[in-house]
Amino acid sequence: GNSVTQMEGPVTLSEEAFLTINCTYTATGYPSLFWYVQYPGEGLQLLLKATKADDKGSNKGFEATYRKETTSFHLEKGSVQVSDSAVYFCALSRGGSEKLVFGKGTKLTVNP
Amino acid sequence: NAGVTQTPKFRVLKTGQSMTLLCAQDMNHEYMYWYRQDPGMGLRLIHYSVGEGTTAKGEVPDGYNVSRLKKQNFLLGLESAAPSQTSVYFCASGRAGVPADTQYFGPGTRLTVL
Repeated sequence: GNSVTQMEGPVTLSEEAFLTINCTYTATGYPSLFWYVQYPGEGLQLLLKATKADDKGSNKGFEATYRKETTSFHLEKGSVQVSDSAVYFCALSRGGSEKLVFGKGTKLTVNP
Repeated sequence: NAGVTQTPKFRVLKTGQSMTLLCAQDMNHEYMYWYRQDPGMGLRLIHYSVGEGTTAKGEVPDGYNVSRLKKQNFLLGLESAAPSQTSVYFCASGRAGVPADTQYFGPGTRLTVL
């Protein structure tokens, strides 16, 4: 079946540090890939997405590239800020009803 | 434009009690979903709906029922609550016919079953 594996946290960084959160997936065919972010006390919101191999999604300084050969969609940011502290979820969808399959989430804390 | 709203925000139940969680969206979306979020488990799909009057099971449907009598509302019912259903419940909605479209999430309902 379809599944998503992302690096376990928590991750703690200092402001302006480089961030990588690893995500790999297992799926039949060609899924769409997403990163969602959950700020404290809120629901999830889409951070970025990619729909085919070699696509790069980007938003708010975050980037992720759809790598079919390694079945990966790693999230990166060159310089994190305190306001980036949140839980990050990698997810995939396949099929007409667009159901999402989520990874377990990675909690990021950025210290000033 | 309120987006996706959920009622209630918090609830404490005793084992065996029943309750209904209400999700409402004002974006005219066809698709609606119920997820539960548990520590270390991410979000898991309970039930979903691809249109008014239709529902389908997700990954963890046992112990829950749903109804979509109106396009804008998606109800999640617990007939006989169990401690294993202690969780945070999120509703989401999305557009039909738009591959890889964003899902819009509500703020969540925190449910504790004693």
